[in-house]
Amino acid sequence: NAGVTQTPKFQVLKTGQSMTLQCAQDMNHNSMYWYRQDPGMGLRLIYYSASEGTTDKGEVPNGYNVSRLNKREFSLRLESAAPSQTSVYFCASKRGQGNEKLFFGSGTQLSVL
Amino acid sequence: AQSVTQLGSHVSVSEGALVLLRCNYSSSVPPYLFWYVQYPNQGLQLLLKYTTGATLVKGINGFEAEFKKSETSFHLTKPSAHMSDAAEYFCAVSDGDSSYKLIFGSGTRLLVRP
Repeated sequence: NAGVTQTPKFQVLKTGQSMTLQCAQDMNHNSMYWYRQDPGMGLRLIYYSASEGTTDKGEVPNGYNVSRLNKREFSLRLESAAPSQTSVYFCASKRGQGNEKLFFGSGTQLSVL
Repeated sequence: AQSVTQLGSHVSVSEGALVLLRCNYSSSVPPYLFWYVQYPNQGLQLLLKYTTGATLVKGINGFEAEFKKSETSFHLTKPSAHMSDAAEYFCAVSDGDSSYKLIFGSGTRLLVRP
């Protein structure tokens, strides 16, 4: 019963470095999401993938890219990290659209120095 | 576009007291509304959701919320707070059947005093 698995759990980067956050779900969900959580701002949607082969921008996509590798995996890439990207990142998934429950991973705490 | 406003970034109650966490939404279509809870160092978990039908929705751990269309509100309540309820609570809205996006409020941290 793994659910949504995110790696790594913690990461420290220097400004300008790149990295990829990995996310995988084993629930055969169609939709996958990347959120960032910042104090006082709640969760903000970075990108989402409604189904395999599609990706769309959320509220705060600048500085990020995503890849829906297959139905299970949805990665988030920071090409040139900036201190403003210091945050906790959550991956989530759900079966489809509308009123369905989101399942969350346990998060990645990223610090950019 | 839909949006969610949670009044009060922090709410403090005594153990055994009523919990009331406020949420107001803006949506151009009949919304789907959710409350999620986040315990320390964990991801979010669904507490309850409103889709259609009965406007009073019961969730896990004794929480409930009432959808009031006239007030565009979906406040979360629990009659008697327990120490284990201390967490951060997020209200969220989805724009109807065909929406894939879930938009979250800024969150309310609930503190429970012994």
